[in-house]
Amino acid sequence: NAGVTQTPKFRILKIGQSMTLQCTQDMNHNYMYWYRQDPGMGLKLIYYSVGAGITDKGEVPNGYNVSRSTTEDFPLRLELAAPSQTSVYFCASSYSSRTLNTGELFFGEGSRLTVL
Amino acid sequence: QKEVEQDPGPLSVPEGAIVSLNCTYSNSAFQYFMWYRQYSRKGPELLMYTYSSGNKEDGRFTAQVDKSSKYISLFIRDSQPSDSATYLCAMSGGGATNKLIFGTGTLLAVQP
Repeated sequence: NAGVTQTPKFRILKIGQSMTLQCTQDMNHNYMYWYRQDPGMGLKLIYYSVGAGITDKGEVPNGYNVSRSTTEDFPLRLELAAPSQTSVYFCASSYSSRTLNTGELFFGEGSRLTVL
Repeated sequence: QKEVEQDPGPLSVPEGAIVSLNCTYSNSAFQYFMWYRQYSRKGPELLMYTYSSGNKEDGRFTAQVDKSSKYISLFIRDSQPSDSATYLCAMSGGGATNKLIFGTGTLLAVQP
């Protein structure tokens, strides 16, 4: 049981390049999230998904895109990378239903992205 | 005003000390209150979870929620060097999306 797995762990991009951060979970969680964490700024929600085929914007979605074709996978796409997207990106998942909502998110280990 | 305010620290204490970490918030709709612990270069992991007001104890950790003051606390008794980490408060109003609002985190160092 690997939990939430993110790849790559580190990446350096040039301004204007594009890339996809991969996230997969093996806990059969219906909810998945992408956060970015900047020093002194806490975790900011980029996008989230409540199930396969359903995605929605969070607090800071500009410059990013997501898709959710399966329950397990939730890739984050960066188009036209900018220095402001230098950050640590965390994928998370949770299980929620009408009768169970613990608020517990399971996080991956993060992907460190630098845009130069 | 930020929805959730947390003192960033850093906080440095000797081993065995009692540690108090705090967050204030402005949204009275928040009902679920959590503390996450994040070790260096790792993802956050859930430490304590509390619904509405009151106290919850788990070993050396106690979480307190005072909804009337919009104030939550995490107490660590007999702190250990292994408690050195960043502690993030998080809260939500519940509902279908389960979206959490995080504090900025407090960096704690417990000196042996």
